[in-house]
Amino acid sequence: EVQLLESGGGLVQPGGSLRLSCAASGVTFSSYAMSWVRQAPGKGLEWVSSISDSGGSPYYADSVKGRFTISRDNSKNTLYLQMNSLRAEDTALYYCAKDRIPSSSPYSMDVWGKGTSVTVS
Amino acid sequence: ETVMTQSPATLSVSPGERATLSCRASQYVSRNLAWYQQKPGQAPRLLIYGASTRATGIPARFSGSGSGTEFTLTISSLQSEDFAVYYCQQYNNWPPSITFGQGTRLEIK
Repeated sequence: EVQLLESGGGLVQPGGSLRLSCAASGVTFSSYAMSWVRQAPGKGLEWVSSISDSGGSPYYADSVKGRFTISRDNSKNTLYLQMNSLRAEDTALYYCAKDRIPSSSPYSMDVWGKGTSVTVS
Repeated sequence: ETVMTQSPATLSVSPGERATLSCRASQYVSRNLAWYQQKPGQAPRLLIYGASTRATGIPARFSGSGSGTEFTLTISSLQSEDFAVYYCQQYNNWPPSITFGQGTRLEIK
């Protein structure tokens, strides 16, 4: 069974930084593009960032470009999201998600973690 | 950026009846469209990809249709466990990006 476990969330002041991690198990991690999707309290889903299977190609939503950095360590089956210059509007539950098919680009996501909560206040 | 617009925002349907949810893209997305179901306190669950292909384990009462800019998710004969929020999502091939609709809340009438 494929499992994704996010960690690293917490309370941070505006302008601060956090690094989220997502540990994957039960899957050939290096074969799949991976994504971060967030959900502000009581709101809908917002795509944040994706990264190719190799890690060589990151993609970002305009709302986080220049502030967030996605990366992965395929030897550790782990996805990361470095979040800098955090703002109140970054407050959300951050989900890690795996793409459905082995590919370098993000398409649809068939496995999701339970999320890690980030509060900027 | 491709904007996804879902309608209605809230849909009230009785158990056993059919529900039809709509999603419109602001520009052509071919069939690069997925649907997700989210229940309170849970992560989203992939229902449909490629506009009309059910994901693994998804019951046949869920069906998707459409291409280009207009898409529909139909749930025939609603079960109690189907009442949830549904999101559409497009995926652009280049540059790679993802956009979600704002969601449709399906509630019991």
